[in-house]
Amino acid sequence: ETGVTQTPRHLVMGMTNKKSLKCEQHLGHNAMYWYKQSAKKPLELMFVYSLEERVENNSVPSRFSPECPNSSHLFLHLHTLQPEDSALYLCASSLVADGYNEQFFGPGTRLTVL
Amino acid sequence: ILNVEQSPQSLHVQEGDSTNFTCSFPSSNFYALHWYRWETAKSPEALFVMTLNGDEKKKGRISATLNTKEGYSYLYIKGSQPEDSATYLCASNAGNNRKLIWGLGTSLAVNP
Repeated sequence: ETGVTQTPRHLVMGMTNKKSLKCEQHLGHNAMYWYKQSAKKPLELMFVYSLEERVENNSVPSRFSPECPNSSHLFLHLHTLQPEDSALYLCASSLVADGYNEQFFGPGTRLTVL
Repeated sequence: ILNVEQSPQSLHVQEGDSTNFTCSFPSSNFYALHWYRWETAKSPEALFVMTLNGDEKKKGRISATLNTKEGYSYLYIKGSQPEDSATYLCASNAGNNRKLIWGLGTSLAVNP
């Protein structure tokens, strides 16, 4: 158990649906991340929250909307997605004070957009 | 090298074989190199964080070395076991300690 949980583990949605992915960390960390992992591509960083403030947004389309209500919880709100958004979405957390930024990951949500 | 590159992409070995694979990363503005182990349907798990040139770290049968001047790291597994089957990822936070640049991983399958 890594201390980072993600729900749901699998999600199938239509292009007109609205859904949310949830991440929770029990490690006392204060930075959280959303990554996208597509087949034959390296992990792509989407968003970073540090001390509950968004500090990085890597040109992610607006149909993905993150929310970090506190340092333990991170959401990714999804609406009007495209089939090419189908991927594994990983959440991670770390300590801001850790200069090397060792990240702890959840198991991911496998998203399929029909 | 502008990206993090790993080789080989995949590897099949027999139980008991020793094996190794490579991670190449940008050597300029190097800060740290991370190795992760990712089993199917589980969370990626941190193995090592390496920062110093010549560094060597070990965890059980797994060890790693680091050459920051030429920009590469080797991961070694001694006496591979079926439970070592996983994808091994490396990532570098060269120049920016918040953002990790990831390789594609080496997928290891150990046959019993």
